[in-house]
Amino acid sequence: QQKVQQSPESLSVPEGGMASLNCTSSDRNFQYFWWYRQHSGEGPKALMSIFSDGDKKEGRFTAHLNKASLHVSLHIRDSQPSDSALYFCAVYNTNTGKLTFGDGTVLTVKP
Amino acid sequence: GALVYQYPRRTICKSGTSMRMECQAVGFQATSVAWYRQSPQKTFELIALSTVNSAIKYEQNFTQEKFPISHPNLSFSSMTVLNAYLEDRGLYLCGAGHLNYAEQFFGPGTRLTVL
Repeated sequence: QQKVQQSPESLSVPEGGMASLNCTSSDRNFQYFWWYRQHSGEGPKALMSIFSDGDKKEGRFTAHLNKASLHVSLHIRDSQPSDSALYFCAVYNTNTGKLTFGDGTVLTVKP
Repeated sequence: GALVYQYPRRTICKSGTSMRMECQAVGFQATSVAWYRQSPQKTFELIALSTVNSAIKYEQNFTQEKFPISHPNLSFSSMTVLNAYLEDRGLYLCGAGHLNYAEQFFGPGTRLTVL
């Protein structure tokens, strides 16, 4: 069964700092990595997806994928207190439509 | 934009009773619907997935007898938790997606508390 592992479990950064989150999949048949963010009391919301090797940037968020090692990272620059949330990495298989989640990283941005 | 509504947002039921929850996708043509349970420890478990190409498929540890799902179309889905016990508590999330875009949009969830 596919496993998605995230690290660290929790992370604290100062406002304006850089937050870096990591994720590794055990399934070489993955098709897309997704990053979701979940604030307290809400459902998860998609931040961005990445499929190709290298970097993908969307505003303050940059995802980096290494397909050979099945590792993806998310970097948040100029972190804001509103970025404090639970961040999930998820792997989407377009053959099955199945989305498999990691266990999440709690990010705290301190003012 | 794409939105997913879930109702109710919170529910409390007595141990051994059942409760029904609903999910509706608005603003896009859903071609897949998935139900998840997020535990109090925040981990996700996929309960079942339906796509435009297949019938409802339940994951290991989840059965139709315990979590019956019905949907007249993929934009509307309902799930019942039958005979709920303490281990069934958590946040039940509905994810509706479009297979071509490899994305699922989530509702806010139905939080189930079992007394």
